[in-house]
Amino acid sequence: SQQGEEDPQALSIQEGENATMNCSYKTSINNLQWYRQNSGRGLVHLILIRSNEREKHSGRLRVTLDTSKKSSSLLITASRAADTASYFCATDISGTYKYIFGTGTRLKVLA
Amino acid sequence: DTEVTQTPKHLVMGMTNKKSLKCEQHMGHRAMYWYKQKAKKPPELMFVYSYEKLSINESVPSRFSPECPNSSLLNLHLHALQPEDSALYLCASSQEALRTEAFFGQGTRLTVV
Repeated sequence: SQQGEEDPQALSIQEGENATMNCSYKTSINNLQWYRQNSGRGLVHLILIRSNEREKHSGRLRVTLDTSKKSSSLLITASRAADTASYFCATDISGTYKYIFGTGTRLKVLA
Repeated sequence: DTEVTQTPKHLVMGMTNKKSLKCEQHMGHRAMYWYKQKAKKPPELMFVYSYEKLSINESVPSRFSPECPNSSLLNLHLHALQPEDSALYLCASSQEALRTEAFFGQGTRLTVV
């Protein structure tokens, strides 16, 4: 079953622009994580935000979490061609051992 | 060492074959996961092991059989697969189930012919 929906499904921007991706989920969570995946290979962990946190930064990444709206956003600032990848949010379902991934956003950064 | 190692990277097998996928981590993580990913889709959870015990089986067909011989190793035994089982199989580990970030391997690209 799908826990998270992401939008947009695909995003194409110019190098240097900011990219924003959104994730909505359905049930209570303990934390939410964002991952990047290049060309159908392994996922790289980007950032984890806990349910009692509202915002987190890591380098050019900024993640927000609104538990009242059951949504999160990932902002990549000053994008680079190397940021071209698929981005997924993953949420744990409270009371279970399940990490469920959202539908993903395919980001293309044009040089 | 923050690596999860999966072998083989690619596997082609016939529908009558028996094969195994292997996953190894040396980070002392006590939770390990198997995910299946089809092209342009998100990873789908298959199994979760916590402290070497199977905690979650997401109604996966019995032709997929997980095994956790010790805290560093996770296997996925494959038998009598179907062509629709062709996918990228991803292994992950985390310090505890859910509370911390999960590290993923590069995956095994499986093709069933």
